[in-house]
Amino acid sequence: EIVLTQSPGTLSLSPGERATLSCRASQSVSSSYLAWYQQKPGQAPRLLIYGASSRASGIPDRFSGSGSGTDFTLIISRLEPEDFAVYYCQQYGSSPLTFGGGSKVEIK
Amino acid sequence: QLQLQESGPGLVKPSETLSLTCTVSGGSISRSYYWGWIRQPPGKGLEWMGSIYYSGNTYYNPSLKSRVTISVDTSKNQFSLKLSSLTAADTAVHYCARVGDFDWLRGPYYFDFWGQGILVTVSS
Repeated sequence: EIVLTQSPGTLSLSPGERATLSCRASQSVSSSYLAWYQQKPGQAPRLLIYGASSRASGIPDRFSGSGSGTDFTLIISRLEPEDFAVYYCQQYGSSPLTFGGGSKVEIK
Repeated sequence: QLQLQESGPGLVKPSETLSLTCTVSGGSISRSYYWGWIRQPPGKGLEWMGSIYYSGNTYYNPSLKSRVTISVDTSKNQFSLKLSSLTAADTAVHYCARVGDFDWLRGPYYFDFWGQGILVTVSS
């Protein structure tokens, strides 16, 4: 099973700042089969990125994903008030599908 | 717009079986998609439980495989989850979701539409 470790656990930033979130895999994720989700309190996760760098339908271009192998990054270029949430990565390169433990982006 | 809605009891006793149903509206469950269940213990992260194709082909998380069963009822546009031998550690919000893409050999990929989730508490 591929274990995904996300860092930092919590990121304290102000609106307008840039957020950089990391997802590191315990072994290489084949074909960059990695997705990112956003989850707000009391809501279901929302797909942001799949294939490491492809934005899902309706996702603003301030969200971007990159990476390959064992190291992946989600960048939010300029934080909007609605972007403060928890972010999860998920790999689908091998079974079982696994999620990272999450990174919280909070208002500073 | 595709919508998914979980339903089932919110409280189940230890050692019993959890049964949840996901009703899909705004689209047919019989199209070329996998469907899945993901759970989230209160204050914790996400765990994939398993996925099913409309034809009945399934993938399960090995950590739950001996206890979990996912089935589909295309006539009702629903798919269901059963989890047996419950303990307090199974208390979680359970989400049903559509798998956005898949490979016939590799299986399900990521989840692009989610239900709102249902909290199931395991307690006597």
